[in-house]
Amino acid sequence: GESVGLHLPTLSVQEGDNSIINCAYSNSASDYFIWYKQESGKGPQFIIDIRSNMDKRQGQRVTVLLNKTVKHLSLQIAATQPGDSAVYFCAEKEFNAGNNRKLIWGLGTSLAVNP
Amino acid sequence: DVKVTQSSRYLVKRTGEKVFLECVQDMDHENMFWYRQDPGLGLRLIYFSYDVKMKEKGDIPEGYSVSREKKERFSLILESASTNQTSMYLCASSLFGSRVNEKLFFGSGTQLSVL
Repeated sequence: GESVGLHLPTLSVQEGDNSIINCAYSNSASDYFIWYKQESGKGPQFIIDIRSNMDKRQGQRVTVLLNKTVKHLSLQIAATQPGDSAVYFCAEKEFNAGNNRKLIWGLGTSLAVNP
Repeated sequence: DVKVTQSSRYLVKRTGEKVFLECVQDMDHENMFWYRQDPGLGLRLIYFSYDVKMKEKGDIPEGYSVSREKKERFSLILESASTNQTSMYLCASSLFGSRVNEKLFFGSGTQLSVL
């Protein structure tokens, strides 16, 4: 079946460097994508989202890029800080008549920030 | 500050017991969700509800039921707990009408161990 997947299960970066977390999706009908951050012992927390009519969206220190041609999504974190250490999930909205409230989740990428 | 509260952080139950996991949100959200999270499998949707007394099956509803008697409360019920239901359970809520913007607010999770 169609699914959202991740290129790298773990990512280790130096504090102050930029981080890039990648996500591949296979459902060309999806038109909404969202990134969540999950810190240890907590539930996932919304970071940023993007609709398919956009290629790029920026937030505070984060940027999401969407390449619909190759079905690829990425989350860029500028000047990575120790507090950014977490598992990052991408998810897509599958517009299906029967379940338009369901997200399809990726498996997550663990980001470790080295001091 | 918006809040989704899950009644227990850790829970240990025996096989065959009936288990209730409670979730309360204070944001007046119409949609509520129950997920389970397992290493390597990501987040999987068990059930969701978009209104009081309404419920819909997610991807893995077998062995579970839910109850939504009040807007702010969504309960997950394991009728007869089994060891394969040992998992982290996450409750989430979102605004109704968010067909595109599926910004979920999560609780901190309940780690259930079934012995």
